[in-house]
Amino acid sequence: GAVVSQHPSRVICKSGTSVKIECRSLDFQATTMFWYRQFPKQSLMLMATSNEGSKATYEQGVEKDKFLINHASLTLSTLTVTSAHPEDSSFYICSARGGTGNNSPLHFGNGTRLTVT
Amino acid sequence: AQKVTQAQTEISVVEKEDVTLDCVYETRDTTYYLFWYKQPPSGELVFLIRRNSFDEQNEISGRYSWNFQKSTSSFNFTITASQVVDSAVYFCALRDTNAGKSTFGDGTTLTVKP
Repeated sequence: GAVVSQHPSRVICKSGTSVKIECRSLDFQATTMFWYRQFPKQSLMLMATSNEGSKATYEQGVEKDKFLINHASLTLSTLTVTSAHPEDSSFYICSARGGTGNNSPLHFGNGTRLTVT
Repeated sequence: AQKVTQAQTEISVVEKEDVTLDCVYETRDTTYYLFWYKQPPSGELVFLIRRNSFDEQNEISGRYSWNFQKSTSSFNFTITASQVVDSAVYFCALRDTNAGKSTFGDGTTLTVKP
């Protein structure tokens, strides 16, 4: 089955530093990947749609300069949280569609728990 | 705008009980897709089921079954003879056919006690 690998699983950083999170599709090519943010005991909030070879599409209210997304290959998308602040602490999850059809289920990475001190 | 409502925030049952998780959705699309995902304590979301809007046939997979009713815009999920390992947060999601983005409900936390 389709496997999505996300790294790191946990990261603690100091306020003001930047953190990069990687999302890889291991056994399939993903032209589109999605980045979500999840607060404790809340739902997944779509942050942006990452498109291979082009700019990401950000959801309303998400700062594109703060959350930099790069999708340089068909198997890798990265999310960089720049100048992190404590309020950026959250669980970040990437996903990719397992097939080319629009009805293909999403396959999720294991998530990255970011703590900014 | 699309919306998914999971009215049950938390459900607690005793092992072997049956439990139904409700999901009601809103969309203006005539073609759309519905999904259920499971998020165990480890955090990773696991795909459970997909249903296309034009296919109202209910489905059973082992102890899991799904009831899709377009007339009431509901896509409910039933676990029969629940087990402790079923304890997790369950999300219902709706996907549009244009941008392909998924809208998730707030999730239902299911606790199955031994």
